Amino acid sequence: GDSVTQMEGPVTLSEEAFLTINCTYTATGYPSLFWYVQYPGEGLQLLLKATKADDKGSNKGFEATYRKETTSFHLEKGSVQVSDSAVYFCALKGATDSWGKLQFGAGTQVVVTP
Amino acid sequence: EAEVAQSPRYKITEKSQAVAFWCDPISGHATLYWYRQILGQGPELLVQFQDESVVDDSQLPKDRFSAERLKGVDSTLKIQPAELGDSAMYLCASSSRDRLTGELFFGEGSRLTVL
Repeated sequence: GDSVTQMEGPVTLSEEAFLTINCTYTATGYPSLFWYVQYPGEGLQLLLKATKADDKGSNKGFEATYRKETTSFHLEKGSVQVSDSAVYFCALKGATDSWGKLQFGAGTQVVVTP
Repeated sequence: EAEVAQSPRYKITEKSQAVAFWCDPISGHATLYWYRQILGQGPELLVQFQDESVVDDSQLPKDRFSAERLKGVDSTLKIQPAELGDSAMYLCASSSRDRLTGELFFGEGSRLTVL
């Protein structure tokens, strides 16, 4: 079945550092890929998405590119802020799914220090 | 801004007791999801509704869990009897009928602790 694997956390960074969170997936065909973020005390919210190979999703300074050849969707941000401290989830929607069902990775906690 | 409402935020119960969680999705959202998130893991889908109908409950432990969405609006997830392994965050999410694209709106969750 479809699955998502993302790097374990916590990832601890200083403010203005470069952030990369690795995400790889296993799925048939061309799934849609997502990054969701969960800030402390809040629900998950969509950060960005990509629906086909070579698409780049971007939002709030974060970017991720859908790489079919490496089955990856790594999240990057060039200069993190303390407010980016959160748990980040990589997720996929299967290519044949018509109900919007998501398969999530385990999440990566990011801690940004001043 | 419209939000998905969940209650209670926190619930502590003893094993073998019954517990219920309530979710009110964003107005007009036909699709409602219940996910379970065990500490250190990603959310796992328990049940999905389209209007009042269940479209996926393959991962719902039906011997103890039940879910309903009688009028196609708000929903209740029940556990009876609760077991120690049910301790988790229960997340409700919704999406609109024409956007079954994976763009879900989540509530803040209900954290269950079973003693």
